Amino acid sequence: GENVEQHPSTLSVQEGDSAVIKCTYSDSASNYFPWYKQELGKRPQLIIDIRSNVGEKKDQRIAVTLNKTAKHFSLHITETQPEDSAVYFCAASIGSTASKLTFGTGTRLQVTL
Amino acid sequence: NAGVTQTPKFQVLKTGQSMTLQCAQDMNHEYMSWYRQDPGMGLRLIHYSVGAGITDQGEVPNGYNVSRSTTEDFPLRLLSAAPSQTSVYFCASRLGGRQETQYFGPGTRLLVL
Repeated sequence: GENVEQHPSTLSVQEGDSAVIKCTYSDSASNYFPWYKQELGKRPQLIIDIRSNVGEKKDQRIAVTLNKTAKHFSLHITETQPEDSAVYFCAASIGSTASKLTFGTGTRLQVTL
Repeated sequence: NAGVTQTPKFQVLKTGQSMTLQCAQDMNHEYMSWYRQDPGMGLRLIHYSVGAGITDQGEVPNGYNVSRSTTEDFPLRLLSAAPSQTSVYFCASRLGGRQETQYFGPGTRLLVL
């Protein structure tokens, strides 16, 4: 089955700096890659997703890039703010069975003042 | 719309007891899933359903049963609780078809003694 690895497990940045979280996946058939943000004690919430026919997608301060050849995808957050502090999870699935998400182990992002 | 709802929010069980975690959605979503979240392990898929009357196993199905008699409800049953089932359980749903975004419920925290 699919295996998703996520790095780093923790990341501390200063407010205003950029943060990058990287994931790799094993199943070349995967074609849907969402990113979720989870605040302490809350549910995961989708922040951005990308499909395999797209190399990059942006939404304001957040961007995701995908390299299908290398089976890598990354989350980029620019101009970080304290409210960006949370745990971020990457995931992968085959689009037709997008209910079967395989998650990475999470990155705890801390944005310091 | 209430979205995805889960009950109870928190439950303590003794080893060997059984219980049902409830999940409901009012968005007429076709697909529903159950995940468990353990520290350092991300979210792992337990069971999922692609429509009423259709269920399938995920990554960690042992010790859990599901059924989907209606579109709205997707209960998760623990037949004989074990300490290893101590976790936070999230239900999720998505519309289906080309709509891949999964929406998570608020979670149920389960402690098995």
